[in-house]
Amino acid sequence: EPEVTQTPSHQVTQMGQEVILRCVPISNHLYFYWYRQILGQKVEFLVSFYNNEISEKSEIFDDQFSVERPDGSNFTLKIRSTKLEDSAMYFCASTEEGGGNQPQHFGDGTRLSIL
Amino acid sequence: AQSVAQPEDQVNVAEGNPLTVKCTYSVSGNPYLFWYVQYPNRGLQFLLKYITGDNLVKGSYGFEAEFNKSQTSFHLKKPSALVSDSALYFCAVSPDTGRRALTFGSGTRLQVQP
Repeated sequence: EPEVTQTPSHQVTQMGQEVILRCVPISNHLYFYWYRQILGQKVEFLVSFYNNEISEKSEIFDDQFSVERPDGSNFTLKIRSTKLEDSAMYFCASTEEGGGNQPQHFGDGTRLSIL
Repeated sequence: AQSVAQPEDQVNVAEGNPLTVKCTYSVSGNPYLFWYVQYPNRGLQFLLKYITGDNLVKGSYGFEAEFNKSQTSFHLKKPSALVSDSALYFCAVSPDTGRRALTFGSGTRLQVQP
């Protein structure tokens, strides 16, 4: 079964540094998402992306965050100047179609640790 | 704004016994409801969804869930638990308004004892 893949599995970065998290969505999927899960807390929506544009974003997704689909397969989340509170698991997801009734397929996540 | 509540941090059940993991939701309009399971060091794996129609939906690994509109609940059930069902279970909702962002509950850890 096709999977969403995320790299790296674990990223350790100094506070203030930029970090890029990478995702390869399922190949025929058109809608892409980022979520994060701070340790011991809920999974929270960050942003959705379709047709090279942000479709929705949450309050968490402020100016330090950006997303990009640099080529036909990758979908990236960039955090410009990391803070300690950015430490979390970041999950990428994708759906074939955009309806809210479509189950989102998640990757295994990237654990981001900010020192 | 929508929200999901999973009132139990942990549910313990003996292998072979039925299990229930509770979920209640709040959303404007009609809900799309989902259950996901998370095994250690893995992502969220889709189990089942309710969109419309029959209130009892069946999903992967013998799980089912019952949608109750009047109680705004979507409890996950399985008639006979397996030790391998031990994992973290998340309920999620999105509204039928075109928004796609999922709102998740806090998760319930299911522990099935042999």
